[in-house]
Amino acid sequence: KAGVTQTPRYLIKTRGQQVTLSCSPISGHRSVSWYQQTPGQGLQFLFEYFSETQRNKGNFPGRFSGRQFSNSRSEMNVSTLELGDSALYLCASSVDSPYEQYFGPGTRLTVT
Amino acid sequence: GENVEQHPSTLSVQEGDSAVIKCTYSDSASNYFPWYKQELGKRPQLIIDIRSNVGEKKDQRIAVTLNKTAKHFSLHITETQPEDSAVYFCAASSRGSQGNLIFGKGTKLSVKP
Repeated sequence: KAGVTQTPRYLIKTRGQQVTLSCSPISGHRSVSWYQQTPGQGLQFLFEYFSETQRNKGNFPGRFSGRQFSNSRSEMNVSTLELGDSALYLCASSVDSPYEQYFGPGTRLTVT
Repeated sequence: GENVEQHPSTLSVQEGDSAVIKCTYSDSASNYFPWYKQELGKRPQLIIDIRSNVGEKKDQRIAVTLNKTAKHFSLHITETQPEDSAVYFCAASSRGSQGNLIFGKGTKLSVKP
């Protein structure tokens, strides 16, 4: 099976802009979780979608949002970007969270 | 909410030695404990996991042990090799099977040839 894919791999944005990141899960996986990874805070959970419904949400501001489509592909959006949003954004797919999550390669977002 | 503490933050061993990384968790409802390996510039890779109804699980040179009473679990790597050098993350499920994963801060393992 093909692994989890994420696009784009790298992004450079300016403060105040918005960004959309995409995640395609492993075929047959209905759960997609998103994480933010930074050197200081490690891996922090953003939210999880299962069958197009957000089931869990982490402790991030409302500027971070997401959605999932009927084919299980997921997108996350960050509005009004801040410098502190610079991070590696990882998605992980599984048959059903939290079990056996497989990560994508991540999108490296740099906010200038 | 769930909190996961991981120790040590860095670990250096000689090739062939064993390495042990320990994690503690706070939520007694946690029932799933995976370990991930992340090499520099790469995605986290699931290397082994354990569920709360099992005390120990082994896969070749790696093993994980779980002590539910003490709320801690450990990763054991035997006969370490230079390619084991990476950052290792433990995680625990919050709110049992209804929640998400909470990760420890990671352990940077260096295996010296």
